[in-house]
Amino acid sequence: QQPVQSPQAVILREGEDAVINCSSSKALYSVHWYRQKHGEAPIFLMILLKGGEQKGHDKISASFNEKKQQSSLYLTASQLSYSGTYFCGTESMRNQGGKLIFGQGTELSVKP
Amino acid sequence: GAGVSQSPSNKVTEKGKDVELRCDPISGHTALYWYRQSLGQGLEFLIYFQGNSAPDKSGLPSDRFSAERTGGSVSTLTIQRTQQEDSAVYLCASSPFSGGQYFGPGTRLTVL
Repeated sequence: QQPVQSPQAVILREGEDAVINCSSSKALYSVHWYRQKHGEAPIFLMILLKGGEQKGHDKISASFNEKKQQSSLYLTASQLSYSGTYFCGTESMRNQGGKLIFGQGTELSVKP
Repeated sequence: GAGVSQSPSNKVTEKGKDVELRCDPISGHTALYWYRQSLGQGLEFLIYFQGNSAPDKSGLPSDRFSAERTGGSVSTLTIQRTQQEDSAVYLCASSPFSGGQYFGPGTRLTVL
């Protein structure tokens, strides 16, 4: 079952923060986050495994609450380069070979 | 190093013709995935390979779709008797053991 992302779209000014949420009705083993710019392939951002860990690099971080089957992506002090569509991909069982079911995406626009 | 490559980048075909799409994964990546993305939509899982085996073919839309992988490397997705609803961008991704999926640039298929 496809995870639900919210919001569907968000517009920011450079330097503002944003949170993108990903929610699943199934128990999750892992959550992946990707960013896709128009006309390009998705780029892998990070993977979170169950255990409630939080990851991040630079000003982008994410958390995973396995009890709530939710993950959130945090973008801090957004830059113009952060613009794009963000997808979460969920893996519901271990040993599924990394098969992901993706959300519908959240379109993020960062304006100067 | 070299990323995932796909060919052709664009394919225009007539309804009813067969097409073959090729994916060259990153060297050393054992897992390989095929997805389909329609205009403005999310990524739809089609099939994945672990080595040359395809443990999960559940995403293939119909029996007109098939895929194979040889030598644990190159994969081919074949669509027989193409239909207009097959028009989409077909994305291939490969994954190292540590996780995360690395996408190729995709093949844009247009069925007239």
